Amino acid sequence: GNSVTQMEGPVTLSEEAFLTINCTYTATGYPSLFWYVQYPGEGLQLLLKATKADDKGSNKGFEATYRKETTSFHLEKGSVQVSDSAVYFCALSNNAGNMLTFGGGTRLMVKP
Amino acid sequence: GAVVSQHPSWVICKSGTSVKIECRSLDFQATTMFWYRQFPKQSLMLMATSNEGSKATYEQGVEKDKFLINHASLTLSTLTVTSAHPEDSSFYICSARDWERAQRGTQYFGPGTRLLVL
Repeated sequence: GNSVTQMEGPVTLSEEAFLTINCTYTATGYPSLFWYVQYPGEGLQLLLKATKADDKGSNKGFEATYRKETTSFHLEKGSVQVSDSAVYFCALSNNAGNMLTFGGGTRLMVKP
Repeated sequence: GAVVSQHPSWVICKSGTSVKIECRSLDFQATTMFWYRQFPKQSLMLMATSNEGSKATYEQGVEKDKFLINHASLTLSTLTVTSAHPEDSSFYICSARDWERAQRGTQYFGPGTRLLVL
């Protein structure tokens, strides 16, 4: 079956530090890959996505590249801000978004 | 665009009562909506997939008589927690899938409903 593994948090960084949150997956076929962000007390927001190998999703300074050879979709940001503090979920879907499989989530805390 | 709303955002009820949660897609038609449950500091657990005009498909271990889902229109799905008990206290999140935007079926999530059963 499908599975998504994320690095455990919390990840604590100082403002303007470089961020990497690792995500690896197991799936049959060619899944679509997503990063969602959840701010405190809120639902999930789509942050970025990639639908095929070597695609790079990007949004709000965050980037992730679909690496089929390593089955990874690591999230990166060059300079984090306090407002980026949230929980980040990596997810995959291998039938056009009909069912998402989520990783466990990684809590990011950015200190001023 | 692609906004999904939930109502109510917060509900506190007594044990034994039933609670209805609404999920609406505000600016698109959603043939499929999903209901998730999230425990504190944990990931989302898919409870059921709701297709407009047909019966919901429940995930293994989710009681269909306990969590009633109705998807009567292309913009509205409801989740009713029947005879709620304290162990049903959780954060319930819905999502909707929008095919017409050709986004490879990306799911758009509502803001969640926090249920506390006393």
